[in-house]
Formats: sequence, structure tokens, C-alpha cells
Amino acid sequence: NFILTQPHSVSESPGKTVTISCTRSSGSIASNYVHWYQQRPGSVPTTVIFEDDQRPSGVPDRFSGSIDRSSNSASLTISGLKTEDEADYYCQSYDRSNQGVFGGGTKLTVL
Amino acid sequence: EVRLVESGGGLVQPGGSLRLSCAASGFTFSSYAMTWVRQAPGKGLEWVSNIISGGGTTFYADSVKGRFTISRDNSKNTLYLQMNSLRAEDTAVYYCAKDLYYYESSVDHWGQGTLVTVSS
Repeated sequence: NFILTQPHSVSESPGKTVTISCTRSSGSIASNYVHWYQQRPGSVPTTVIFEDDQRPSGVPDRFSGSIDRSSNSASLTISGLKTEDEADYYCQSYDRSNQGVFGGGTKLTVL
Repeated sequence: EVRLVESGGGLVQPGGSLRLSCAASGFTFSSYAMTWVRQAPGKGLEWVSNIISGGGTTFYADSVKGRFTISRDNSKNTLYLQMNSLRAEDTAVYYCAKDLYYYESSVDHWGQGTLVTVSS
């Protein structure tokens, strides 16, 4: 099994751009798709990015995803930050034995 | 509209059992894989188990393997999680989730969750 490591917290001002990283401990980040979920305080998670860089319908194009083989990491980038983006963000993937793996989550503060 | 409604949570003593149910509607249940995800109080998300659309293949997190059993009844549009030998560390909100495809993939819809508390 591998571990997905995320920064515990990030903060940025409204209107700015923030990037949240998700680093895979072993094996290639490209081996399995990475998905990203947003969980606002007191709410159920929702999907903001699936399959590395795909955006579900209804998710603003301010949200984008990518993977970087050189750093073995995935990234979630949110541009034009809004106060409503303040939430916990989780990356998730599957390992070779089909077990799901979540990152520890990143708390985004928009101040 | 996709709806996932969990039930069966509650307070149970260590070593006890509980069965969670998830009633699905608004989509062709038998065509999609389903997943259980849990979240301990104040903690992050933890993947628990997945079952493919036909129900013949299941996967489990190491932390629950041998104690939990995922199943589905496609005729009743219902997903289950049988939880045995419960431990304090199993205390969490359990979310039922629909996958994007018939096999393991991204979750695209989540239920509201049901709280399981394991305590004496």
C-alpha cells in the first residue's frame, strides 16, 4: 500500500490562486487515477475533480487537477478564490489490490 | 435525482455487530459500483469497502477485513455493510457512496451518512 500526503492546511486571500498537493509515497502517481473531494464544514463530501483532471458538471472551471510524474504528486488548483471555497479537500486513489486510499486532507482557509 | 439514504447506525458495545443499509434511488442501481467511506469524529475520510455492480467482487480496507462484509441486493436497490467484532476505533459517520462506473472509480454521489458509536 502507499500513502497520499497532503499539507495539513493552506490559506490564501479571495481572488488569488491556491494549489493543494497530494504526494504518493511509492509507486507511480500515474498508475491509478487521482480524485479530489471537497467537504465544507458540517457537510457531506462532493467531488470536484475525478480521473486526475476531469471536472464534474456543475463544478466551476476555477477548479483544475493535474499530476506531475517528476514529483510523483497530484495537484488541485483553485483560482479566483471565493470564501465559499473554504473547506477540507481530500485526494483519493486506488492501490494495486483495489483498496482505496485517501490523503489526510487539507484545510483551506480563505481569508 | 440520485438519492442515497443510510440507516442502521447507533450505539453498540465493543465486540458487537451492526448492519448498515443504504437505500438508493434516482439511478440504475445495478449498473454501478458502490462504496462505503467513514469519517471518525473530527478526522479525515477513510475508505472502507467497495462492491462492483454485479456484486460478485468486493474489496476491503485492511482495518476492517475479516470483520466487515459488504453486499448488495440489486432487486431492492439496497447496499449493506455488515459490521462484526466492532471496536472503539470503528466509531465514525459511515457514508454510502455511488461510484462513477460499474467498477471501482471516483465517487460521484454521497449519502448523508449514519453515525456508528462503539462504546460500553
